[in-house]
Amino acid sequence: GDSVTQMEGPVTLSEEAFLTINCTYTATGYPSLFWYVQYPGEGLQLLLKATKADDKGSNKGFEATYRKETTSFHLEKGSVQVSDSAVYFCALSINNNDMRFGAGTRLTVKP
Amino acid sequence: DTAVSQTPKYLVTQMGNDKSIKCEQNLGHDTMYWYKQDSKKFLKIMFSYNNKELIINETVPNRFSPKSPDKAHLNLHINSLELGDSAVYFCASRVTGGGEAEQFFGPGTRLTVL
Repeated sequence: GDSVTQMEGPVTLSEEAFLTINCTYTATGYPSLFWYVQYPGEGLQLLLKATKADDKGSNKGFEATYRKETTSFHLEKGSVQVSDSAVYFCALSINNNDMRFGAGTRLTVKP
Repeated sequence: DTAVSQTPKYLVTQMGNDKSIKCEQNLGHDTMYWYKQDSKKFLKIMFSYNNKELIINETVPNRFSPKSPDKAHLNLHINSLELGDSAVYFCASRVTGGGEAEQFFGPGTRLTVL
């Protein structure tokens, strides 16, 4: 079935370090891909999305590129801040139907 | 201003009790969801309602019953609470059709069963 697999956490980085959180997907059709972020004590918020191959989603310094050839949608940020500490979820949707979420990756950024 | 709201934010109760969690969205969406998030942050879909009709039930025990009085509300009633029901429950909504799959989440209800 359709699913996403993201790297296991937790990930701990120092402030200003480079971040990559890997996400790969399995899908029968052509999915839309998403990254959601969950800050402590809050619900999930959409961080960025891409709806077709080679699209790049970006927001708040985060980027992810939809790579059909490697079925990937890795999340990157060039310089993380303490305020980026959160849990990040990769997700997909086929034909704008219900979402499949990954297991989440906890990021902790230390000053 | 709140898009998706849930009440209560925290709920502490004894095993065997019956409790309800309420969800409301003011986005005009026609599909609403309940998710359960465990202590490891794994997110599991429980129910989906589209125009007041249940369209997903992901093998959730029948102690859990969703109730949707109208498109803007999806409440979750839980009978005979068990220790394993302790989790954070999230409501979400989206619009079907229109080419957008994005879901909007509420702030969550942390349920603790003692």
